[in-house]
Amino acid sequence: DAGVIQSPRHEVTEMGQEVTLRCKPISGHDYLFWYRQTMMRGLELLIYFNNNVPIDDSGMPEDRFSAKMPNASFSTLKIQPSEPRDSAVYFCASSQDPYSNQPQHFGDGTRLSIL
Amino acid sequence: AQKVTQAQTEISVVEKEDVTLDCVYETRDTTYYLFWYKQPPSGELVFLIRRNSFDEQNEISGRYSWNFQKSTSSFNFTITASQVVDSAVYFCALRMGNTGKLIFGQGTTLQVKP
Repeated sequence: DAGVIQSPRHEVTEMGQEVTLRCKPISGHDYLFWYRQTMMRGLELLIYFNNNVPIDDSGMPEDRFSAKMPNASFSTLKIQPSEPRDSAVYFCASSQDPYSNQPQHFGDGTRLSIL
Repeated sequence: AQKVTQAQTEISVVEKEDVTLDCVYETRDTTYYLFWYKQPPSGELVFLIRRNSFDEQNEISGRYSWNFQKSTSSFNFTITASQVVDSAVYFCALRMGNTGKLIFGQGTTLQVKP
């Protein structure tokens, strides 16, 4: 079975540019999560969706960040305009009912560098 | 407040040694779930195990074992006869029963030397 698929694996861009990260969850998983990993803050949840609807976006750092899930098999995380402090590894994860003991399964991550 | 503490930042052992990674959590909820994830040098996050707050039975899977003790709010992970391939960052995570949100510890970097 295919796992969570993220693209691109690596992204290097200049400050001020728009960045779009993409995620395809595991088929049948109704929940999708976006995380950010940095040395300073560790792994932190940015936002998560249930059946394509955002449930909790309290972790989204600021208005420059936006996430969408237009259908059950695709989600995007956009940063516009990007800043050097956005440099991090961004993970997407998906899960069946997370309100039980179902684990979240993570993609390989997108390593983002903003110059 | 909910919190996960992995006090060991880095651990270095020699191959075949046993090693225990500590995880202490804080929550006021009576229903919660605990997880361990592994992040090898390649960077992906791999799910290892989950535990419910109402199931304190310890678990063994090959060289891996987990000790869950509610009395001390700990969920420790032991690798027996460690191998070089066990070198990775290990994360403990907590989820409360009424939210899908995972709270991660800061991670423990394990280096197993040949």
